[in-house]
This record gives sequence, C-alpha cells and structure tokens, in this order.
Amino acid sequence: EDKVVQSPLSLVVHEGDTVTLNCSYEVTNFRSLLWYKQEKKAPTFLFMLTSSGIEKKSGRLSSILDKKELSSILNITATQTGDSAIYLCAVGGSGGSNYKLTFGKGTLLTVNP
Amino acid sequence: DAGVIQSPRHEVTEMGQEVTLRCKPISGHNSLFWYRQTMMRGLELLIYFNNNVPIDDSGMPEDRFSAKMPNASFSTLKIQPSEPRDSAVYFCASMATSGRVVYEQYFGPGTRLTVT
Repeated sequence: EDKVVQSPLSLVVHEGDTVTLNCSYEVTNFRSLLWYKQEKKAPTFLFMLTSSGIEKKSGRLSSILDKKELSSILNITATQTGDSAIYLCAVGGSGGSNYKLTFGKGTLLTVNP
Repeated sequence: DAGVIQSPRHEVTEMGQEVTLRCKPISGHNSLFWYRQTMMRGLELLIYFNNNVPIDDSGMPEDRFSAKMPNASFSTLKIQPSEPRDSAVYFCASMATSGRVVYEQYFGPGTRLTVT
C-alpha cells in the first residue's frame, strides 16, 4: 500500500521567516509527487515533480524531489500571513490506467504577523 | 473555465437518511475522483473513474456508499443510510490523462456533510 508521511504536522513562524516542509513516500512505481495548498476550502495545486522535473520554483515557493531518498521538500521564503494554510503532499504511483494519488495528512503552517 | 462544480455545498441530515452528492468535472477531463476529508484521517480517496468506468473503489468504506458516473460530465456519491460518522467534507476532483502523462488534479469546493 502506498504511503506518504509529512513533517512537521504543524509549524508556527513569524512573517519573514523561511520554512521547509518535508514529505517522504513509499510507492509502487513512482510517477509523480504533487504539492497542494489548502486554506479554508479546497486544495489548490502548487507543483508537480516527476522524474523529468525534480525542481520547481514559483515566486517565494520552491520544491525539490529526491528520488534516491524518496522524499521532497517545499520551501517558502519570506513568509507572509497569507501563506498560512495546510500544505498537502501527494504521490502518484503504479502504472497502466491507475492515476490515483495518495495524500499525506498535511502540515499546518501558521504565519504570525 | 468553471472549474469542478459540486452540490450541495452544505448538507445537514438525520441519521438513516439517504444523501446524494453531485459533481460536474472540468470539461475535457477524463478522470474523476471522490475524496473524504476529516481531521482524524486527512484526505482519503474513496473511488475514482477513468473514462466513466470505476477503476478503484477500494477506499469506499462499506456497502452504504455507492458512486456512479453515467456520463463524462456528471457523477454522484450516495450514502444510504447515513450515519453520524459519515460527517466530513467530501471533495470531487478531476484530471486530464493521456497515456502515461499525468497532470494535476483540480478540486471542487467540497460538500460539508453533517449527519445528526
């Protein structure tokens, strides 16, 4: 059974701090790793990392995939209160027509002013 | 693009009643997923369809849950009879797939279900 573990479960920082969120996985036939941000509503897509694209960056957010260590990190620099959310990591594996994602329980990030 | 549409947004019902949740995926997306989210268990996949065919329903809790996708633009998740432990937020997500290429899943706004 595919498994995704995120750490820490929760994190409280001050505006301007840099944070690193971790995701480790066990999956059969790794296909992709995705990061989502969830505020008080539905998860919204941030990044997708695959074997052909192991590093992504968008503004203050960046993510790296380490296929050797079966893990990924999500970095947020110069955090703002608007970054407060649950960050979810999901992994897609298996093959054929199996496109399902397995989600971790998320990291709750709170950014205080 | 309207995004994934779910209805109702909120549902409050009494134990034993039938509940039907509805989802319209993004046009052109050929995979559809139903998730349940609770504080205790996080985001759990219940069932997913590819080209309207159920591919994996191993996450469906028990026989009280059923899902259908009669066509490419509509899906339902039914709970009958409902129980208080079914209280959760139910998300529908859709995704475009093409051979081995995998794209991101887009989530609907969710249905918050409360069973009293």
